[in-house]
Amino acid sequence: EVQLVQSGAEVKKPGESLKISCRGSGYSFTSYWIAWVRQMPGKGLEWMGIISPGDSDIRYSPSFRGQVTISADKSISTAYLQWSSLKASDSAMYYCARRGDAFDMWGQGTMVTVSS
Amino acid sequence: DIQMTQSPSSLSASVGDRVTITCRASQGISHYLAWYQQKPRKVPKLLIYAASTLQSGVPSRFSGSGSGTDFTLTISSLQPEDVATYYCQKYNSAPFTFGQGTRLEIK
Repeated sequence: EVQLVQSGAEVKKPGESLKISCRGSGYSFTSYWIAWVRQMPGKGLEWMGIISPGDSDIRYSPSFRGQVTISADKSISTAYLQWSSLKASDSAMYYCARRGDAFDMWGQGTMVTVSS
Repeated sequence: DIQMTQSPSSLSASVGDRVTITCRASQGISHYLAWYQQKPRKVPKLLIYAASTLQSGVPSRFSGSGSGTDFTLTISSLQPEDVATYYCQKYNSAPFTFGQGTRLEIK
């Protein structure tokens, strides 16, 4: 089955670090860029950035550059989104999505809650 | 950067109605426009790409049109299961900006 499977929900404290993952299966992982999308509670979709797993070419949204780091390990078909120091405002649902014909496949989402 | 503006931000229509949502890009994006449906508490789903191409498995009551800067998503006969928020997105090049969303409810 062609799918993206994300890591589970996280509850963290402000200032902590975090790395969430998105594993692709059922297709050639290096042939498609993987994007990250944020959805804050009750809000719309925000594109954060995108990575080419084959060569780790990365593009960031200006709104998220410097706030997060996107990476990938093609040997295990996994893309990552990480924070070095979380803030309460990072609390949101985070989706990964495959860039095929537009964003044609999405992970199930990872809920991140940052609270003291 | 190119901005994507949807209208209306919300609408209420009756079952069987024809519903139209519009999306405007601040600069031309050719046909690189996608529409997504997000039902409450669910993962977004691709409905239409290349402005007018229906993703596999999407009901034929959904259609898209437009090119350049002005695009529309049309539901020919609204069904109860179409209650959702709909987003447009440009995907020709980064940044892959989404519209702010249109919340569709049943009257």
